[in-house]
Order: sequence, then C-alpha cells, then structure tokens
Amino acid sequence: RKEVEQDPGPFNVPEGATVAFNCTYSNSASQSFFWYRQDCRKEPKLLMSVYSSGNEDGRFTAQLNRASQYISLLIRDSKLSDSATYLCVVTYSSASKIIFGSGTRLSIRP
Amino acid sequence: GAVVSQHPSWVICKSGTSVKIECRSLDFQATTMFWYRQFPKQSLMLMATSNEGSKATYEQGVEKDKFLINHASLTLSTLTVTSAHPEDSSFYICSARVNSGRVNEQFFGPGTRLTVL
Repeated sequence: RKEVEQDPGPFNVPEGATVAFNCTYSNSASQSFFWYRQDCRKEPKLLMSVYSSGNEDGRFTAQLNRASQYISLLIRDSKLSDSATYLCVVTYSSASKIIFGSGTRLSIRP
Repeated sequence: GAVVSQHPSWVICKSGTSVKIECRSLDFQATTMFWYRQFPKQSLMLMATSNEGSKATYEQGVEKDKFLINHASLTLSTLTVTSAHPEDSSFYICSARVNSGRVNEQFFGPGTRLTVL
C-alpha cells in the first residue's frame, strides 16, 4: 500500500462547479500536510497547508481528519485556471522525508 | 515566497556522458535540499535528501554512485547524473526546505528536463 494515495482522476467538471479531492495517508506519525498544484511540465507550487482545524483560502478549503487519516481539498466556483494536477503532500516531523501523492488531475471545461 | 533556481533548465546529451544540475536557494539558506525525479504523468519521486556538509541520504532503489549529490554550501546543492542513459531521461526537480514557525515548507526549483539520446 502506498504511503499517500490519491484518486488520479481525471476530474472533468464545468466552470463554476464545486469539486473535492481526498487523499489518504497510512502513517499515523505524519505531522504536516499540504496541497500542491502542478501545471503541466512545471514545478509544483504550494497551494495551501492543511491544519487540524481546517483552513480556507478564498475558494479553496482544506481539511484534515486525523482519526480517519485523510485530508481533503474543496474548490468552489471553479475557474478554467484551476485546471492542473493537485498533489497531496505529507511530511514527518522526525525526519526530512516528504511524501507526495501521485496527484489528481483536474480539468475545468467552459 | 522563497526562491529556488535550477540550472540548466533543460539538457540534451549523448548516452554515457555525465550531467551536472545545480540547485540554488537565492534568498535564504537551506541546510536541507531534496532531489526529485518525475516521469511523464507520474508524481514526484524523492531520490535523495541533501544535507549541507554531510553525505546525502538516498532513497531505496536510487544508486548513489550514479546520482552524485554535493551540498557544499548553504545555498547550493548539485546533482550529477553519471554515465547517463536514455532511461535516465526525466524531469529532475530540487527543493529547499524552510523552517518557518509552525510548519515546514519547501520551495521547488523550476526543474531540469534531461533527455539522453
């Protein structure tokens, strides 16, 4: 079983729709969680950190469920520019190790 | 956010040659940098963790003699792909970790696309 698992998609939704991704992690010692966005043939860019209390940044909401060991990303009122691959990232405090999920591809259609 | 640069951005070389990729943190010091490899339509795979002033830590399955890492200063790490072969063709991305209060964040370089003929 992979340490971090994501639905690869692709998710193809119309502009303005709400879309949600989940990511599960297997190691309960995981401490920090992030969502990254990666455009085609570009480097990943930090989208947002994920805190236990949940956090919101504009149209994006991230939540963490430690009991069930998953994090989620919700995108409201999706824009064409949201089309990208979204990577779930998990880190451990005791080491520098950073684990990427395989990414979920999102395509927003007009 | 912090800026990380990579050089070169792309390289094409013949099979058997060695290629050096540089990763620099431009506006901060990074005691730890990471090297990733990404094949088409796949996620980033961590190759090694580069620690300033000490030996790199390689992930399982990554040959340390083939992928030489040097982290000689707090702002520079280099990855040398020795005797490159076509199967080494990939997108190589480095990142540098920033400790900023509550969370650790890492910033990525723009990547280096390596094509081995």
